[in-house]
Amino acid sequence: DTEVTQTPKHLVMGMTNKKSLKCEQHMGHRAMYWYKQKAKKPPELMFVYSYEKLSINESVPSRFSPECPNSSLLNLHLHALQPEDSALYLCASSPLGRGQAMNTEAFFGQGTRLTVV
Amino acid sequence: ILNVEQSPQSLHVQEGDSTNFTCSFPSSNFYALHWYRWETAKSPEALFVMTLNGDEKKKGRISATLNTKEGYSYLYIKGSQPEDSATYLCAPQNNAGNMLTFGGGTRLMVKP
Repeated sequence: DTEVTQTPKHLVMGMTNKKSLKCEQHMGHRAMYWYKQKAKKPPELMFVYSYEKLSINESVPSRFSPECPNSSLLNLHLHALQPEDSALYLCASSPLGRGQAMNTEAFFGQGTRLTVV
Repeated sequence: ILNVEQSPQSLHVQEGDSTNFTCSFPSSNFYALHWYRWETAKSPEALFVMTLNGDEKKKGRISATLNTKEGYSYLYIKGSQPEDSATYLCAPQNNAGNMLTFGGGTRLMVKP
């Protein structure tokens, strides 16, 4: 199983709503990532989790709250978003050091297309 | 965050032309360099992961080289085809963490 599964595929939410994006992988990868991708631009790194701990937060506003409840799951909780947060949110996973090979590619999910109205 | 530069930003070639583009990255604390192919509205697709200075990898008509001492990698496409049209992203990893920060990409358009 080399899949990263993201749900939902599409999400429309109001600016006062609270919603969550989910990401799941069963490849035993211990690094998981959230990216934000706006139209025609490369994905921008938001968060990195290593061994279920947040290791990188690229100055993302607090209205985005990541959570890694276990080694297979990564969530992104959304609250009080703005219309400019509308984008494709991509999750990825990759192996990590300390016994896992790091020099293999990251696997990406298909993304959640988020529209904030 | 790692400073990654890709050039050119975009490239138009005719079908059958060979082409190449560059990824520049910090050479200090280098661990690995990833190349991805990305089509709009799809998720990035891994092409190569390279770790050794002087390494060269090949997949079909696409190949890549790596210079870790000077901090650059070249991606080559031989005999470009319209289906090669995509944005090619590179992402270095350093040994201080497991970040995949993409460069701005090179957008390749191959005209039939």
